[in-house]
Parts: sequence; C-alpha cells; structure tokens
Amino acid sequence: DTGVSQNPRHKITKRGQNVTFRCDPISEHNRLYWYRQTLGQGPEFLTYFQNEAQLEKSRLLSDRFSAERPKGSFSTLEIQRTEQGDSAMYLCASSQDRLNSPLHFGNGTRLTVT
Amino acid sequence: ELKVEQNPLFLSMQEGKNYTIYCNYSTTSDRLYWYRQDPGKSLESLFVLLSNGAVKQEGRLMASLDTKARLSTLHITAAVHDLSATYFCAVVLPNTGNQFYFGTGTSLTVIP
Repeated sequence: DTGVSQNPRHKITKRGQNVTFRCDPISEHNRLYWYRQTLGQGPEFLTYFQNEAQLEKSRLLSDRFSAERPKGSFSTLEIQRTEQGDSAMYLCASSQDRLNSPLHFGNGTRLTVT
Repeated sequence: ELKVEQNPLFLSMQEGKNYTIYCNYSTTSDRLYWYRQDPGKSLESLFVLLSNGAVKQEGRLMASLDTKARLSTLHITAAVHDLSATYFCAVVLPNTGNQFYFGTGTSLTVIP
C-alpha cells in the first residue's frame, strides 16, 4: 500500500491557461474522489468515480472542470481557462468498495492562478 | 444540502487539559467520520462512527455519535503537543453513499 499519489505537488499558472492534475489511487480501491480545499475551509466535494464511471458530480462544478478515469485506475482533473478563484488545494481520495470505508487522501496539488 | 458545523473553530489549550470539539449536521445521516490534518499535509482518517451511540477511542481521543441529536463529539483527554492539528468531521448523505460533506474544521493548538 503506497498510498494515494498526486502530481504535480504544486502548479502555478497564468489566468486563462489549462491545467491537468493526476491522481493514482491505492491499487485495490475502486472508488476515487476529487475534492477542493481552500485556506481555512474543509474539503469540498467535486466528483466521484466508481471504477471508470463518473457517478456523481457537484452542482458547484463549473463546465470548465472535467475529470476522467479511463481504465478505472488513475484519474485526471482538468481545469480549462483557469481563473484566480480556482486557486486552491485539489485533493484526491480513494476508498474500498464498501459502504463504510473511510476516504484515504493524497497530499494534494496546490494550484495558484496568477 | 447537508450542512456540517463545527465548534469551536479555533482552540488553544494547555497540555494536560481536557476539551471537547462539537460537530453538528443538518440532515439525517448514519455515518460520521473524523479526520486530522497537519499543516501542509493531507487528511488522515481517525474514526468511523456508524450508529447511534457509537463510541470509538484511540489514545487521548474519543469520538461519539448521537444520530438523534445530529451531533458528534471529539473529546481530548490530557492534551499533548502532538495533538496540535486541524480536526474535521465529515458526514455522508444517506442513500448516496459517496458525497462526504466536511465541516469547516477545528484548529487545535496545544500549548506546553
């Protein structure tokens, strides 16, 4: 168990550019989640995958955000035409396919949009 | 939408003292989780509480759940500096199973 891995750790980009983040979940975990966390706040749900299927997506998630998990293993989160308000820590988590399993979080990707 | 509130938001306490962090949530849920986050680090799972009256203990931390009152508590006994961190509770909407709603966190500082 190597834990949830996220890359890059930090990303600085200019407003209007596109960015893509990668998450590698714990290998036996079928469920994968993306969260966003800003300073002083708890993580905010963005989207959830069961294997390769994206089953839930936050209503707060703008059309500029898209996530994929093509083979049910790693996932990518893309933000198009970034805005300064997108600056945050993007957290990936995975869990086992059991009702009560806790989330196991990665170390996150910190995005700064200038 | 499920709202999760924690209090206090900030807590400074002396080593050796006891204190309780409260987590209230707005909609019926039968699952509640507690997480710890150290500065600059990710979240670490502490407890999973699955039923009314559930109590879990690990070291100096004890968590409980009252689903009727929609309240969970995280009790700290004889605090030590290593417990300094931000603590989050998270609740899952019933019948969704997958959207964890987090509180705003309680930032705990234990002073020697």
